[in-house]
Amino acid sequence: GENVEQHPSTLSVQEGDSAVIKCTYSDSASNYFPWYKQELGKGPQLIIDIRSNVGEKKDQRIAVTLNKTAKHFSLHITETQPEDSAVYFCAAVPGSFNKFYFGSGTKLNVKP
Amino acid sequence: NAGVTQTPKFQVLKTGQSMTLQCAQDMNHNSMYWYRQDPGMGLRLIYYSASEGTTDKGEVPNGYNVSRLNKREFSLRLESAAPSQTSVYFCASSEAGAGGETQYFGPGTRLLVL
Repeated sequence: GENVEQHPSTLSVQEGDSAVIKCTYSDSASNYFPWYKQELGKGPQLIIDIRSNVGEKKDQRIAVTLNKTAKHFSLHITETQPEDSAVYFCAAVPGSFNKFYFGSGTKLNVKP
Repeated sequence: NAGVTQTPKFQVLKTGQSMTLQCAQDMNHNSMYWYRQDPGMGLRLIYYSASEGTTDKGEVPNGYNVSRLNKREFSLRLESAAPSQTSVYFCASSEAGAGGETQYFGPGTRLLVL
């Protein structure tokens, strides 16, 4: 099956700085790459996603890039705020059914 | 519109006991999923139901059974709980199960097996 690796496991930044989280995947059939944010005590929530026919997608302060050749994708958060502090998960979805393979998560801490 | 709801929120079991985790969604979604979340391992798919009346194994199905009771409800059963099943369990749903759909997650059930 698909294998998704995510780095770093923890990331601490100063408020206003940028944060970058990276993921690699193994299955070249993967064609959908969502990013989820999980706040303490809650379930994960989608923040942005990208499909394999697109190289980059942006939504206000967050952006995702995809390099299909290298099989890696990244989440970029600019102008970080304390409310961005959470655990972030990447996922890859191979094939035609909606089976998600998640990375191990990145705990982001934004210091005021 | 409550989205995805899960009960109970927290449970403590002794080794060998059984229990059922309940999940319901009110978004008229066809597909539902059960995940477990362990520290440093992300979320791993236990079982999923592509549509009412069907269930399939995910990455880590051993020790679990599921029932898709109707379109709204998808339950996860531990027949004989083991300490290795201590985890946080999340239920999710998506509209049709086609690749590339958003999955909506419930708040989770925290299970401790002693």
